[in-house]
Amino acid sequence: EAGVTQSPTHLIKTRGQQATLRCSPISGHTSVYWYQQALGLGLQFLLWYDEGEERNRGNFPPRFSGRQFPNYSSELNVNALELEDSALYLCASSLPLAGVSTDTQYFGPGTRLTVL
Amino acid sequence: DAKTTQPNSMESNEEEPVHLPCNHSTISGTDYIHWYRQLPSQGPEYVIHGLTSNVNNRMASLAIAEDRKSSTLILHRATLRDAAVYYCILRALNDMRFGAGTRLTVKP
Repeated sequence: EAGVTQSPTHLIKTRGQQATLRCSPISGHTSVYWYQQALGLGLQFLLWYDEGEERNRGNFPPRFSGRQFPNYSSELNVNALELEDSALYLCASSLPLAGVSTDTQYFGPGTRLTVL
Repeated sequence: DAKTTQPNSMESNEEEPVHLPCNHSTISGTDYIHWYRQLPSQGPEYVIHGLTSNVNNRMASLAIAEDRKSSTLILHRATLRDAAVYYCILRALNDMRFGAGTRLTVKP
């Protein structure tokens, strides 16, 4: 069974540009989570989508947005890029069968975004 | 705003048990305790989770205090492949936030 996949692996942008990151969840999973991991730091929760709806978002400005498509894949968009947006962006998927409190998240390898 | 507190780093010798502590004094009755670990250059992977009772799986054991204000992840015999950052997370509806984690170093 294929795991969570993310594309691209690396992305280089300049300040002020827009970045689009993509995530394909494990087949059958309906929830997708996005996290930001700046160098040497822990994971910061960005967004959670389930069944096509945004369920929760972390403490990030509105220029971080995303969506989930009918096939449950997801896209993260970052507008007006700033230097401090440089980070590893991780996507995770899950299938909350017994409720989201007990679901296991499966992570992709991440997209390394560099803003110059 | 992580709701868990973990030591920044810990060291262990290979083939010895490791006890990784986590404090979560503001835990609510519906919060599950999850542990994930992140190996170098990889995304995090699930380790174990529990609510009130101690839990065991093939990777580790989770010991939860009676008042649920703390928990301990137990690796019974550390191997070099267990060197990673271990995250303790409280999981509730609409909320899953990682703290800074504990970096575990395993010495041969």
